[in-house]
Amino acid sequence: DQQVKQNSPSLSVQEGRISILNCDYTNSMFDYFLWYKKYPAEGPTFLISISSIKDKNEDGRFTVFLNKSAKHLSLHIVPSQPGDSAVYFCAASESLGDMRFGAGTRLTVKP
Amino acid sequence: GAGVSQSPSNKVTEKGKDVELRCDPISGHTALYWYRQSLGQGLEFLIYFQGNSAPDKSGLPSDRFSAERTGGSVSTLTIQRTQQEDSAVYLCASSLSGVTYNEQFFGPGTRLTVL
Repeated sequence: DQQVKQNSPSLSVQEGRISILNCDYTNSMFDYFLWYKKYPAEGPTFLISISSIKDKNEDGRFTVFLNKSAKHLSLHIVPSQPGDSAVYFCAASESLGDMRFGAGTRLTVKP
Repeated sequence: GAGVSQSPSNKVTEKGKDVELRCDPISGHTALYWYRQSLGQGLEFLIYFQGNSAPDKSGLPSDRFSAERTGGSVSTLTIQRTQQEDSAVYLCASSLSGVTYNEQFFGPGTRLTVL
């Protein structure tokens, strides 16, 4: 039961351009959403989060947008840098502790 | 150490053997989580501990999987009679509290290969 879906397994973007990573969820009870970034051979690291009372959260080059009616969130990275190349996981949480992750999107930023 | 640590980093075992994976969370973090990532798959939730108790065991794939946490700190994930489909990277994470929405800090993972 895949409650969090990242339908694009990979994305390639030119350096300096915008990267847009998408995530869809099915559980309307989810009320907290996070993005994690993962480099090879390392554990995921937290990137940015948003609660359901907001529709946008910005942190430097990273912005997360939440559309609750569409059960959709997206991560925008602008401008993209080669060091942003990694796998990005979307995660959603309903309540205590339980967090569900998507399958990840591999972002490649080309110089 | 400052982060979540896991051991071993790699484990190769034969089908049918038992394995034990260890996780040391960040000191003071009361919540601890186990996930696994199979080849080409996302992170699959296995189990969550709040202190020493496990309020959510819903993700354990079969009764061959068990986990415990003692002293509110170290956790071990045990897989009995391993099967080839158990091959995956097993990730542990901890957070300050499972009561509020806290960021989870992940360890580097244990890569398990069942031959």
